[in-house]
Amino acid sequence: AQSVTQLDSQVPVFEEAPVELRCNYSSSVSVYLFWYVQYPNQGLQLLLKYLSGSTLVKGINGFEAEFNKSQTSFHLRKPSVHISDTAEYFCAVKQGGSEKLVFGKGTKLTVNP
Amino acid sequence: DVKVTQSSRYLVKRTGEKVFLECVQDMDHENMFWYRQDPGLGLRLIYFSYDVKMKEKGDIPEGYSVSREKKERFSLILESASTNQTSMYLCASEPYRDSLGYTFGSGTRLTVV
Repeated sequence: AQSVTQLDSQVPVFEEAPVELRCNYSSSVSVYLFWYVQYPNQGLQLLLKYLSGSTLVKGINGFEAEFNKSQTSFHLRKPSVHISDTAEYFCAVKQGGSEKLVFGKGTKLTVNP
Repeated sequence: DVKVTQSSRYLVKRTGEKVFLECVQDMDHENMFWYRQDPGLGLRLIYFSYDVKMKEKGDIPEGYSVSREKKERFSLILESASTNQTSMYLCASEPYRDSLGYTFGSGTRLTVV
């Protein structure tokens, strides 16, 4: 069964610093990869997705992620974070042919002034 | 914009009660999903449905059932609520055989006392 590992449960950073949130998934022939963000007391919002093509994917709010097939990773990055980026971030994987998304346990990003 | 609406934002129920959580989407999506979200555990799939009257068990179906009588509505039923079902419940929808990512509702925070 597909599984997703988010290596850090909490990541504190200072405002304007770069950040990387790590995500690894179990290997599969074809996968679709997603990052979602959840602000406090809200549902999940799609940040970006990798379906095929270029391995560098750009999303909303200045975030980007790189698909690395050999390392089965899909790390999320932002070069300069804002206080408003404080939220929980979820990596998710869908195996080709399946309708189900498998989520990681989430990473809480806290941006401090 | 696709909207997924969950009828209650907060709900408090007593142990042993039968509880209905309602979810409605307005974009004619075939697939609908119910997840529960708990701190440190991420999102876990309870049930999903890919068509009217069709349903499949997810990873944690015990203690839950679902109903999909109309395409736009997917109900989660707690037959006899227990305190360990206190959680955030998230509904999502997606077109069938589409990998553009789920659209989530805002969630229902259920407390069973």
